[in-house]
Amino acid sequence: SQQGEEDPQALSIQKGENATMNCSYKTSINNLQWYRQNSGRGLVHLILIRSNEREKHSGRLRVTLDTSKKSSSLLITASRAADTASYFCATLNTGTASKLTFGTGTRLQVTL
Amino acid sequence: KAGVTQTPRYLIKTRGQQVTLSCSPISGHRSVSWYQQTPGQGLQFLFEYFSETQRNKGNFPGRFSGRQFSNSRSEMNVSTLELGDSALYLCASSLAGTEEKLFFGSGTQLSVL
Repeated sequence: SQQGEEDPQALSIQKGENATMNCSYKTSINNLQWYRQNSGRGLVHLILIRSNEREKHSGRLRVTLDTSKKSSSLLITASRAADTASYFCATLNTGTASKLTFGTGTRLQVTL
Repeated sequence: KAGVTQTPRYLIKTRGQQVTLSCSPISGHRSVSWYQQTPGQGLQFLFEYFSETQRNKGNFPGRFSGRQFSNSRSEMNVSTLELGDSALYLCASSLAGTEEKLFFGSGTQLSVL
């Protein structure tokens, strides 16, 4: 079963705008990762944040982690049409090495 | 460096048949894991192998099995196929499979008729 819930399920924005996706999870974690998936293809790793980190940046991506609330957010700034995809958070839970638990995903549509 | 390669890309089977899917990890990666993706259940962990040993297994029936060879290539097998097994099966590799990011293949789309 999935651990994480993502919010919103779908998001439509215009090119140049920022997109924010949220992820909640249920148990203690070692790290939390974000992946992108285009049209039912394989997933591409975007960013990893460890449980002792609160914020991380990578290019136009910003991830925050609040372990007290068991939640994370992914911010994509200055969105492009190529950002259109599904985005998933995945947690590596404490005591379950080598197994990622994925959230339900957010479908992002960037319109021109 | 070549990415994770999964074959075949598409597969159509009928109920009751069995199927074998193949995954070649990135060179040097010793951990291979498998995930099932369906519209209803999302991404579900099947199992993970490291150095030919299964280290972790998800909540799937025994009809789902896998193995890893000495060159780190992996196969998964599904016997006695059911309609509900229709899914995108994704393979992912990593160096050691503990705490680092995964590299995914493009997946095998299995349709069971």
